[in-house]
Amino acid sequence: KNQVEQSPQSLIILEGKNCTLQCNYTVSPFSNLRWYKQDTGRGPVSLTIMTFSENTKSNGRYTATLDADTKQSSLHITASQLSDSASYICVVSARSNYQLIWGAGTKLIIKP
Amino acid sequence: NAGVTQTPKFRILKIGQSMTLQCTQDMNHNYMYWYRQDPGMGLKLIYYSVGAGITDKGEVPNGYNVSRSTTEDFPLRLELAAPSQTSVYFCASSVDWGSGNTIYFGEGSWLTVV
Repeated sequence: KNQVEQSPQSLIILEGKNCTLQCNYTVSPFSNLRWYKQDTGRGPVSLTIMTFSENTKSNGRYTATLDADTKQSSLHITASQLSDSASYICVVSARSNYQLIWGAGTKLIIKP
Repeated sequence: NAGVTQTPKFRILKIGQSMTLQCTQDMNHNYMYWYRQDPGMGLKLIYYSVGAGITDKGEVPNGYNVSRSTTEDFPLRLELAAPSQTSVYFCASSVDWGSGNTIYFGEGSWLTVV
């Protein structure tokens, strides 16, 4: 069964610190992996999209990595800001039908 | 830039009532989607459309209906509302479903069925 699991479920860090969020998936055949940021009460906003051949992609202070062999991805946030407080969702697409499998998200709280 | 616009933002329905969630996009995207998001869960696809006049079921279509008469609009109809339909609903659109295409989401519609 195609699944996406994220860890931790929630995370609290101090402003200015770095953090790494994890995503493990069992989706096959793999097409691409996306990270979304969802602010409380808002719709998800795309951060990165990575295909099979890409193992690192950056978007400002956000850097996503992908290991297609171990079926793992991580999202690293550098020098966190209060505005980074949000849920971060990992989404994996299956190549067979482009079905999107959504993780439950990691809720990140940045404290001043 | 408007992007994807959903209405209403909030709605309370009584069991058995019906309503329509409106969604419109101004990016001329062929693909449109309706998702629901329950607390602590990943988004679940309700229905999707690959173009005007073409719709298909997603993972959780029961209790819902859609239509796509124009490229811009993709309304979601809830018939005979049930408490299990209490959720946050997101409309989204993209150029197509292929690799690398960004999916743009609306701001969400919070629905409570009592």
